[in-house]
Amino acid sequence: GIQVEQSPPDLILQEGANSTLRCNFSDSVNNLQWFHQNPWGQLINLFYIPSGTKQNGRLSATTVATERYSLLYISSSQTTDSGVYFCAVSTQGGSEKLVFGKGTKLTVNP
Amino acid sequence: GAGVSQSPSNKVTEKGKDVELRCDPISGHTALYWYRQSLGQGLEFLIYFQGNSAPDKSGLPSDRFSAERTGGSVSTLTIQRTQQEDSAVYLCASSLDSYYQPQHFGDGTRLSIL
Repeated sequence: GIQVEQSPPDLILQEGANSTLRCNFSDSVNNLQWFHQNPWGQLINLFYIPSGTKQNGRLSATTVATERYSLLYISSSQTTDSGVYFCAVSTQGGSEKLVFGKGTKLTVNP
Repeated sequence: GAGVSQSPSNKVTEKGKDVELRCDPISGHTALYWYRQSLGQGLEFLIYFQGNSAPDKSGLPSDRFSAERTGGSVSTLTIQRTQQEDSAVYLCASSLDSYYQPQHFGDGTRLSIL
């Protein structure tokens, strides 16, 4: 099955810093989503981005489908950005089930 | 409702008992998914419904696990004769339909098997 690798596994920032999270995947995808899991365990949908670039406030994401990677950018980080960021994909020709990476744990210190 | 609703939010039960977990998807969403999250296995797919049928059950870990969906809406995940390794957070997601759509997750049911 498709492999999803996220890097880095852990990231510690000071408030106000910028960061880039990476997701590599091993096969063509028709669905790619970024999620934020907050400290209460809620999975919040950040972006649906199988290709192209999207921005939402301080967050933006880019997926280069032909090169099989996606990037999530967080600018001017805040303590509320802390949590685990997951990349999840589904493959072309398969069911729409999402395969998740192991996540990047982000800690933003005040 | 406005979001995916799951109940109960927490469930503690003894090994060997049966449990039922409920998911109420976003109104109008025809696709529904069950996942579970545990420390050792991360987030893993269990089963996918399109309407009332389940085209992909490949993630169900054993025949103790079953799920149904009625009326194209509410789904129930049933675990029979629970084992300690079933302890996890069970998450439900729905999407408008099954292709090229974002999935939206509920808050999950935290299941603890004593």
